Amino acid sequence: QVQLVESGGGVVQPGRSLRLSCAASGFTFSSYGMHWVRQAPGKGLEWVAVIWYDGSNKYYADSVKGRFTISRDNSKNTLYLQMNSLRAEDTAVYYCARDLGVWGQGTTVTVSS
Amino acid sequence: DVVMTQSPLSLPVTLGQPASISCRSSQSLVYSDGNTYLNWFQQRPGQSPRRLIYKVSNRDSGVPDRFSGSGSGTDFTLKISRVEAEDVGVYYCMQGTHLFTFGPGTKVDIK
Repeated sequence: QVQLVESGGGVVQPGRSLRLSCAASGFTFSSYGMHWVRQAPGKGLEWVAVIWYDGSNKYYADSVKGRFTISRDNSKNTLYLQMNSLRAEDTAVYYCARDLGVWGQGTTVTVSS
Repeated sequence: DVVMTQSPLSLPVTLGQPASISCRSSQSLVYSDGNTYLNWFQQRPGQSPRRLIYKVSNRDSGVPDRFSGSGSGTDFTLKISRVEAEDVGVYYCMQGTHLFTFGPGTKVDIK
């Protein structure tokens, strides 16, 4: 069945980096655009980034532009989010989503000293 | 940047009764290809979001037909014809015409 599994979350100090992964299965990964969406504790959903099916285009929310990088490895059916210069306000559950129609279970990132 | 607003932000409903959520965008959501990229998502307590509706009125696979979407331009509506207990959660509209922006969410619970 179609499945997305995020990993890589954890507790990290402000200013440090973290890389999230999203392993896809059950569909042709290389045919779909992929998104990262986050949700701060007790808050609503915030779109973070999108990457085209072939990696040719990438777009970011203003809140993460210049600090986060979305990428994908279609040979490994995996989506990534490289997060640099992390801030307390980046604390959230991070979801990956296939074209926004299929979502993973999320991975939690906590930025704290 | 496009700003999405929803009303109400809290919606107590009676089981079996209809419910309606309004979503408005600060700019027209009609894209250059003629499509309007307005989605609706449901997030049940403790669960990941789930898309219910895409391009204003198209139900995703497996979504009960009691959910319907309508609207155009800047004004959109999600309707639940008869609320069931499993519909409790937060509902978000999201535009995908000018990059992507979520609305603040509408919390639906049972009276």
